[in-house]
Amino acid sequence: NAGVTQTPKFQVLKTGQSMTLQCAQDMNHEYMSWYRQDPGMGLRLIHYSVGAGITDQGEVPNGYNVSRSTTEDFPLRLLSAAPSQTSVYFCASRRVGGTDTQYFGPGTRLTVL
Amino acid sequence: AQTVTQSQPEMSVQEAETVTLSCTYDTSENNYYLFWYKQPPSRQMILVIRQEAYKQQNATENRFSVNFQKAAKSFSLKISDSQLGDTAMYFCAFMKTSYDKVIFGPGTSLSVIP
Repeated sequence: NAGVTQTPKFQVLKTGQSMTLQCAQDMNHEYMSWYRQDPGMGLRLIHYSVGAGITDQGEVPNGYNVSRSTTEDFPLRLLSAAPSQTSVYFCASRRVGGTDTQYFGPGTRLTVL
Repeated sequence: AQTVTQSQPEMSVQEAETVTLSCTYDTSENNYYLFWYKQPPSRQMILVIRQEAYKQQNATENRFSVNFQKAAKSFSLKISDSQLGDTAMYFCAFMKTSYDKVIFGPGTSLSVIP
């Protein structure tokens, strides 16, 4: 199993550009989520999904869109990047039901100039 | 809404000594789950230990143990015989049920000094 994969690892954008951060898992996990990590603020939840076709907002959803057309994939879209979105982004997945841990991807470092 | 607080932004400990990281949380739930995650410089998030609120016994994983005080809503992590590889950010996290989101604290940066 590859676990949770994220692409790209690094990205530099200009203000106003759009891009999609990719996340995929091969563990058949129902639950997937996106976090952003900023110094001194821990991990803040952006969006999450409890299954294909179901998504919901987390703590900081503004400026981000998600969709979940398959169990495996959960892309995060930035429609018009802003410098405030400079951060490290983590995707995570876990099984629903039980006390399984969340599995995290390696993260994407995004810089918006 | 649930919140997680870690009051120690930075800590240091001598190699082979013991250190305790603090975490408090706020919830009105009776059953829930608590976690400690470690994030070394590699940036990878690693689960250290987890505790289910309905279990009174404190969880232990090798050199890592917790002091879970449900009434005080406190969940501290004790690292015994600290090693250089323990240098990392440590995050406390809360989950109401396995269908719910995981809420993280702001983290504590731990440095183990040779």
